[in-house]
Amino acid sequence: GNSVTQMEGPVTLSEEAFLTINCTYTATGYPSLFWYVQYPGEGLQLLLKATKADDKGSNKGFEATYRKETTSFHLEKGSVQVSDSAVYFCALITYNQGGKLIFGQGTELSVKP
Amino acid sequence: ETGVTQTPRHLVMGMTNKKSLKCEQHLGHNAMYWYKQSAKKPLELMFVYSLEERVENNSVPSRFSPECPNSSHLFLHLHTLQPEDSTLYLCASSQDVGTDTQYFGPGTRLTVL
Repeated sequence: GNSVTQMEGPVTLSEEAFLTINCTYTATGYPSLFWYVQYPGEGLQLLLKATKADDKGSNKGFEATYRKETTSFHLEKGSVQVSDSAVYFCALITYNQGGKLIFGQGTELSVKP
Repeated sequence: ETGVTQTPRHLVMGMTNKKSLKCEQHLGHNAMYWYKQSAKKPLELMFVYSLEERVENNSVPSRFSPECPNSSHLFLHLHTLQPEDSTLYLCASSQDVGTDTQYFGPGTRLTVL
């Protein structure tokens, strides 16, 4: 079945450091891929998405490229801020799965001043 | 109000109580979802509705009963819950069921005593 694997957290960085959160997936067909972010005490917010191979999603300085050959969708940001501290979820969806988003387990990011 | 709203944000109930969670979406979407977010586990899809019809039920115990009176409102009726049901319940909506982006509400934090 479809699945998503994220790097385990927590990830602790200093402000202005480079961020990479790895995400790999297994899916039949051609999934759409997403990154969601969850700030403390809140629900999930869509951060970015990509719907086909080689697409790059970007938002708020974050980027991720849909790599079909490596089945990956790694999240990157060149310079993190304290306000980026949150839990990040990679997810996928395929067409014939009844709308079921498959999530990774989440990666907690903590950015220190 | 914009996006997806959920009420209440926090709920404490006894094992013999009956309560309901409410979700409302202001996005003109046709599909709505209930997810369960437990600590250290990926988000779990509970129910999917498309145009007020249930299209997915992921083996959820009958003590959770969904209701979708129209495409803007979704309820989760709770009765005779167990303490292990204490967790965060998230509602989401999308334009249609398939691969459309799902937008999440802030969640209801449920505690069962």
